[in-house]
Amino acid sequence: DQQVKQNSPSLSVQEGRISILNCDYTNSMFDYFLWYKKYPAEGPTFLISISSIKDKNEDGRFTVFLNKSAKHLSLHIVPSQPGDSAVYFCAAPAYNAGNMLTFGGGTRLMVKP
Amino acid sequence: DSGVTQTPKHLITATGQRVTLRCSPRSGDLSVYWYQQSLDQGLQFLIHYYNGEERAKGNILERFSAQQFPDLHSELNLSSLELGDSALYFCASSVGAGFGEQYFGPGTRLTVT
Repeated sequence: DQQVKQNSPSLSVQEGRISILNCDYTNSMFDYFLWYKKYPAEGPTFLISISSIKDKNEDGRFTVFLNKSAKHLSLHIVPSQPGDSAVYFCAAPAYNAGNMLTFGGGTRLMVKP
Repeated sequence: DSGVTQTPKHLITATGQRVTLRCSPRSGDLSVYWYQQSLDQGLQFLIHYYNGEERAKGNILERFSAQQFPDLHSELNLSSLELGDSALYFCASSVGAGFGEQYFGPGTRLTVT
């Protein structure tokens, strides 16, 4: 049972444009979400998080939006840069299971110069 | 650099063998988590230790075991290895046992031949 889903395996955008990565979840107990970025041959790098008491969190070029009623979150990158090309994972911790992170399958973002 | 170190970076071994993967958490972090990333399963939580004690188990096989030592480093032991155990193994750490970001190491790539 995939509790966190990223339905788009890949996304290609032009440099300078907006990248929107989407994530859906099924477990209504999730109340905190994280986005990680992963380059090949490296571990995931924490990017940005959002608590369920907010519907938006911004950090520089990265903004995460949370729609609790739709059980949907999205990561916006504006403007996109070639260095943003990586695999992006959304994740949610399950506090009743030792804070394990449940990850989505990832979206590969390619930013073209 | 997340501050989490993992050794070795690569490991090639034969079926039936036993290996040990090592992780040192960020300075000050008491929690260590182990995750497995395989091609068909994505990032899967294996086990969580907090200050030397096991806190939660995920999809960890009985052939796998882990421990966290008094100096807080952790080892993941994989025995009776099978071809299907070939994967990337990531260690992550966090300050506490609950709410908060996890910081990932660079991973150990295990290849079982």
